[in-house]
Amino acid sequence: ELKVEQNPLFLSMQEGKNYTIYCNYSTTSDRLYWYRQDPGKSLESLFVLLSNGAVKQEGRLMASLDTKARLSTLHITAAVHDLSATYFCAVEETSGSRLTFGEGTQLTVNP
Amino acid sequence: EAGVVQSPRYKIIEKKQPVAFWCNPISGHNTLYWYRQNLGQGPELLIRYENEEAVDDSQLPKDRFSAERLKGVDSTLKIQPAELGDSAVYLCASSARQVPETQYFGPGTRLLVL
Repeated sequence: ELKVEQNPLFLSMQEGKNYTIYCNYSTTSDRLYWYRQDPGKSLESLFVLLSNGAVKQEGRLMASLDTKARLSTLHITAAVHDLSATYFCAVEETSGSRLTFGEGTQLTVNP
Repeated sequence: EAGVVQSPRYKIIEKKQPVAFWCNPISGHNTLYWYRQNLGQGPELLIRYENEEAVDDSQLPKDRFSAERLKGVDSTLKIQPAELGDSAVYLCASSARQVPETQYFGPGTRLLVL
């Protein structure tokens, strides 16, 4: 059974600081997704990582994938308040199959 | 382009009552998913459809949950009878056959069972 673990689960940081969220998974996969969820809202797709070494960047967020280590990271650069949300990584064993989600990282960026 | 549409957005019922949720996926998306998200957790898949066919329902509690996707478009998820532990957000998602096959989520139905 595929297991996905994120850490930290809670992250409080100041504006302007950098930080990294980690996502580990238990079985071989080369498809990993990052989603953002605002309180009371649905999930918004941020990044899709499809191969070992893949790196995607959008604004202050950068995601990477190391399939050999079964690890993905979401790096936040110079955080701003608008990035406050819960971030989920999700792993897909095969194309179009179920996504197995991590527990989520609740990020709070303080002024 | 319209996103995934779900209704109702909120539902409060008493235990042992039936409840149904409706989902209209993004036009042209063949694959439809129902997930359940408990408070403070990530979504968990209940059932996945490819067109009209349920291809993964291994995590659907079949004693009380049922789903259908007639004509391969809209889908309905039903719970009968509801239990207190069914309180959660029920999310519908859809995807198209392309690489990557990103799943797009609807706003969800927030269910409270009293």
